This record gives sequence, structure tokens and C-alpha cells, in this order.
Amino acid sequence: NAGVMQNPRHLVRRRGQEARLRCSPMKGHSHVYWYRQLPEEGLKFMVYLQKENIIDESGMPKERFSAEFPKEGPSILRIQQVVRGDSAAYFCASSPRASGDGYNEQFFGPGTRLTVL
Amino acid sequence: KNQVEQSPQSLIILEGKNCTLQCNYTVSPFSNLRWYKQDTGRGPVSLTIMTFSENTKSNGRYTATLDADTKQSSLHITASQLSDSASYICVVSARAAGNKLTFGGGTRVLVKP
Repeated sequence: NAGVMQNPRHLVRRRGQEARLRCSPMKGHSHVYWYRQLPEEGLKFMVYLQKENIIDESGMPKERFSAEFPKEGPSILRIQQVVRGDSAAYFCASSPRASGDGYNEQFFGPGTRLTVL
Repeated sequence: KNQVEQSPQSLIILEGKNCTLQCNYTVSPFSNLRWYKQDTGRGPVSLTIMTFSENTKSNGRYTATLDADTKQSSLHITASQLSDSASYICVVSARAAGNKLTFGGGTRVLVKP
């Protein structure tokens, strides 16, 4: 059972271009979370999705950022018109179900390191 | 506002020695607390998960404690090894839809031979 997969692992974009980050959750997992980690900082929640639905996007900037998790295929985090401040590591995590209590393990992918020139 | 504070920010220890990392949180309503290990350039990997009713949990040389009354947790590393060099992140889950996690800033541990 492969773990959470993210690609690309490294992505370089020039200011104004678009960045697309992909996340394939673990087999059987229908819940996906995206986090951003700025250099020398902790991870910050961005968005939580279930298949075809955005459940919580309270941590995602309102402009330029969007996320989807289609019925088929990976989850995509899309950043339009990137700026230097978007340079960070973006981590995806998946879990088999969501619950507000108990042990609901989130398994993290290796991350995508975005560099904006 | 839900917050997780960790101390120290960084730590250097000699191989074979023990160390203890601290975590204070204000997340409410509390669901569970996790410790993750994040190697440089990699995603976090879970070490322990504790709910309200658990006050200690071990995973090999890692032992986590939880005091839900004072909202404090610690992670103790016994007989450190060079491979323990990493960031250790305290993460607290709020009892709410989606199992939202609040991350601490991490403690960077460097184990020297």
C-alpha cells in the first residue's frame, strides 16, 4: 500500500505563472488536507477536502489559491499568478475518514517545494 | 484562538543522552494530541497520539506524556541516536468537523556523536 504521493517534489515558477501541485492519497482514503510550511516555520492548515467537496478552506487565501479533489484522480492545489511569498513547502495529508474525536490518523506526503523566482 | 507553543526551539545533545521537549496548548475543545517527527525535506511522521484520558504513551525510545488539566505535553527521547536528528512537532486536534490540526512550530533536535 503506497503512502501519500505528491508531485512534483520540486517546482520552480516565475512570478505571475501558475503552479499546480498534485496529491494522491493513500488507497482507501477519501479525505485530503493541504498544509503550507514557510521556511523556518511550522505547518499551517490550508484546506480540507473530501471527494468532490471542499469541507473547510478557512486557511487558504481567498485570492489566487484553489483546491479540488475530483471523483477520479488526485487532489490539486492550484496557485495562480504566483508571487515570491508563495515559496514554501506544500504538504498533503490523507485520512480514511474524518471525525471530531478519537484517533484519526493523518498520513503525510513528502511535500512539494515551490520556489518562485 | 487555538495555539500550540513548543520549547525549546532547538536543542543539541550528545549521542546516547536523553532529552525532553515541551508543548503547551490552548486548543479547545480538545480531542487529541500528537507528536510528529519531521526529517529535513520530508513530511511529518506520527510518533504518538493521545486522547484526553491517556497521560503517557511510548513508541520505542520515544515517550509522550499529557496533562490535560494544565494543557501540557512532553516528548522524552531516551538514549538518543544520530537518526533522531529532526524536527519534533506537537500537534493538537480540536473536536470539530474535519479533525482540524493545530501545529506547533517544532523543536529542532541535533544529535552529535
